[in-house]
Amino acid sequence: AQSVTQPDIHITVSEGASLELRCNYSYGATPYLFWYVQSPGQGLQLLLKYFSGDTLVQGIKGFEAEFKRSQSSFNLRKPSVHWSDAAEYFCAGANTGTASKLTFGTGTRLQVTL
Amino acid sequence: DTEVTQTPKHLVMGMTNKKSLKCEQHMGHRAMYWYKQKAKKPPELMFVYSYEKLSINESVPSRFSPECPNSSLLNLHLHALQPEDSALYLCASSDAQSGPDNSPLHFGNGTRLTVT
Repeated sequence: AQSVTQPDIHITVSEGASLELRCNYSYGATPYLFWYVQSPGQGLQLLLKYFSGDTLVQGIKGFEAEFKRSQSSFNLRKPSVHWSDAAEYFCAGANTGTASKLTFGTGTRLQVTL
Repeated sequence: DTEVTQTPKHLVMGMTNKKSLKCEQHMGHRAMYWYKQKAKKPPELMFVYSYEKLSINESVPSRFSPECPNSSLLNLHLHALQPEDSALYLCASSDAQSGPDNSPLHFGNGTRLTVT
């Protein structure tokens, strides 16, 4: 089945430390991949997306993600985390040509300690 | 601020009530979506409207009835819900006309629904 997997349910990092959130995908062809962030009681905000081309994608709020076909991964990174980054992060994927039909991973909750 | 507006923000309803959730966007998007999100779970797709026509129904029970009266509005009519239907209901929109590389979903902040 086509899916995305986030192996980490909960991650805690110190403010100022670097961050990497993992996402693995399972699609027959190169999928569309996205990272969304959700603060408590809020909707989802798009951080970045990958469709094709450069495998290192820059997003908002200083986030970036790297598409690695050999590892079927699309990990999210940030060099220095801020306390306001504490939230739930969802990786999502869709088949080529059906970007509207997203499948979300189970999410990773990020806690930031001061 | 989100560009997709959902009302109400919170809704409590009994199992015999009829209520509606509303969603509005003014970005000119021609695709609109309803998602359901249970606590500590990812969003699950319910319905997709493309050019005001229902294009995807993910086997949602008939007690949920979507409606797209025009390109800016999306409603979700609720009737005879069960307590297990309590969840955050998210509306989203995308630019169906642009090609997939320019049409990520824009989400509203959701309606927190509690069924008693």
